[in-house]
This record gives sequence, C-alpha cells and structure tokens, in this order.
Amino acid sequence: EDQVTQSPEALRLQEGESSSLNCSYTVSGLRGLFWYRQDPGKGPEFLFTLYSAGEEKEKERLKATLTKKESFLHITAPKPEDSATYLCAVHSGGYQKVTFGTGTKLQVIP
Amino acid sequence: SAVISQKPSRDICQRGTSLTIQCQVDSQVTMMFWYRQQPGQSLTLIATANQGSEATYESGFVIDKFPISRPNLTFSTLTVSNMSPEDSSIYLCSAGHQDSMNTEAFFGQGTRLTVV
Repeated sequence: EDQVTQSPEALRLQEGESSSLNCSYTVSGLRGLFWYRQDPGKGPEFLFTLYSAGEEKEKERLKATLTKKESFLHITAPKPEDSATYLCAVHSGGYQKVTFGTGTKLQVIP
Repeated sequence: SAVISQKPSRDICQRGTSLTIQCQVDSQVTMMFWYRQQPGQSLTLIATANQGSEATYESGFVIDKFPISRPNLTFSTLTVSNMSPEDSSIYLCSAGHQDSMNTEAFFGQGTRLTVV
C-alpha cells in the first residue's frame, strides 16, 4: 500500500526565513509526485508534478526536488501570504490513484 | 490546467436525507475523482469516476452510500446517501489529464457538508 509521510506537521517561520518541507513516500511504481497548497476553506491548489529522481521545479519562492525516497519543498525568503497547508501526494503506477500525506501547516510571521 | 466548478459550495442537511454534489470541468479530462476531507485531516479518496461505467471505490466506501455518475468527460456527480452526522466533511472533486508525458490533477473548491 502506498504511504506518504510529511514533516513537520506545523512550521512557523519569520518572514524571510528560508526552510524546507519534507515528503517521504513508499510506492510501487511512482508515476508522479504532486505538491499542492491549501488555504483554509478552499480546495487544494496545484503547484508541481515531479516524475523522476533528480528533477527540480520552481515557482516564485518555491522549489520542489525529488529523490527516490522523498521530496522537498524549499521555501526561500517566505512572505506572510505563503502561509497555508502544503500537501504532498503520490500517483502510483498501474492504477489511477493519488495518495495524500497529512500536510504541513506553514505560518509565516511578519 | 482545468477549471473545476463544484456545487453546492456548502449545505446543511438533516440526517437520513441525501445530497447530490455536482462537478463540472471546463475541458475534457481523462481522470475524475471524488475525495473526502474531514476536519483537520488530509484527503481520502472515495472513488474514481469512470466515464460510461461504474465508479471504482476505495476500501471503506461503497456504492450504496456514495453513488457516483459520470455521463461524459466533463461532468460527474457524487451523492451522499442516508446521511448521518459522521458524514459531515468537505467533499472535493478532482480532475486531470494523464498521458505518457504528464500527469496533472486539479481540484474544485469543495462542498462543505454539515449533517444535523
């Protein structure tokens, strides 16, 4: 069974203080790893899909990286508007199913 | 990307009744899924909505409780039947494309259901 573990559960940063969120996964045949941002009361907002170890993608202050066992979401010089819950999910091979982690709740303080 | 519209956005329902949630996508998509997100928790997949055939349900979810339709490539419905307070949750529709090169999955804004 596919498993996704995110850490930390919660992270509080000062504005401008860079950090990383971790997503560890165990799947049988990774077809893609997703990162989403979710604001309270809203559906998840798609950020990135990563497909193979060594791949990196960037969007504004966010950079996602992937190894064979985990993914990191690096946040550089965060701003208060980056405060949200960040969800990681994996899409496994042979079956159109996406398994989500429990998320990291990020709070960026001015 | 795909823009997904869900309705209703929220509802308060009496126990024992049923609610049907609609999901409309602005383009034809290969994949459509229904998720449940209970308060403070992550997303749990209920089922994959298959166009023109019965949905594929995950362990712990059954068709009698969560009947799903997908009459075409842009529309699906999820019904929450014979509701109890334990069904209070956010229900999310997800849709996306999958081909040999890319996989993307997008979400609607969700339906916040409260059962009283």
